Amino acid sequence: ILNVEQSPQSLHVQEGDSTNFTCSFPSSNFYALHWYRWETAKSPEALFVMTLNGDEKKKGRISATLNTKEGYSYLYIKGSQPEDSATYLCASFYSNYQLIWGAGTKLIIKP
Amino acid sequence: DAMVIQNPRYQVTQFGKPVTLSCSQTLNHNVMYWYQQKSSQAPKLLFHYYDKDFNNEADTPDNFQSRRPNTSFCFLDIRSPGLGDAAMYLCATSRERGFTEAFFGQGTRLTVV
Repeated sequence: ILNVEQSPQSLHVQEGDSTNFTCSFPSSNFYALHWYRWETAKSPEALFVMTLNGDEKKKGRISATLNTKEGYSYLYIKGSQPEDSATYLCASFYSNYQLIWGAGTKLIIKP
Repeated sequence: DAMVIQNPRYQVTQFGKPVTLSCSQTLNHNVMYWYQQKSSQAPKLLFHYYDKDFNNEADTPDNFQSRRPNTSFCFLDIRSPGLGDAAMYLCATSRERGFTEAFFGQGTRLTVV
């Protein structure tokens, strides 16, 4: 059974500080890694889809890196703002067309 | 404008009474997914359609069925809801499976009484 782990489960960060969290996934038969942001009372929103080892993607203050050999991805948020408060989900896609989701990291920004 | 719309947002049903959740999309995407999510857990894929091709997950109970009458609409039918089926149900679409981002609806929160 494939398992995607996200850590930490939850995180409190002071406004203005930078932070990062991890998505770990089985690397065998890996095709792609997704990151989503899910704000309360809204739909999950895609941040990045990455496929290549060493890939780095950036959207504003948020960036992500991918290591497919060791099976992890980091999500970074620079200069956290209250609107960054959300649950961040990652999902890993495999050659058998399975998309396996992590349970998410809940980020709370303290003003 | 919302691109993936789920109705209703909140659904209360009686134990054992069939219920249908609906999802529509304006993106013309090939793939439509139904997920079940219980609090603090990973979303669990129930099934997905690639065009008209239905793909059921091995561990999805028979109690859950789905229909996709056309590209735009997809329904989740729960034939005999149990208390354990209370959850958030998310519909999502994507152009292709896995390699392209998914677009989600706002979800339907199902309560079983």
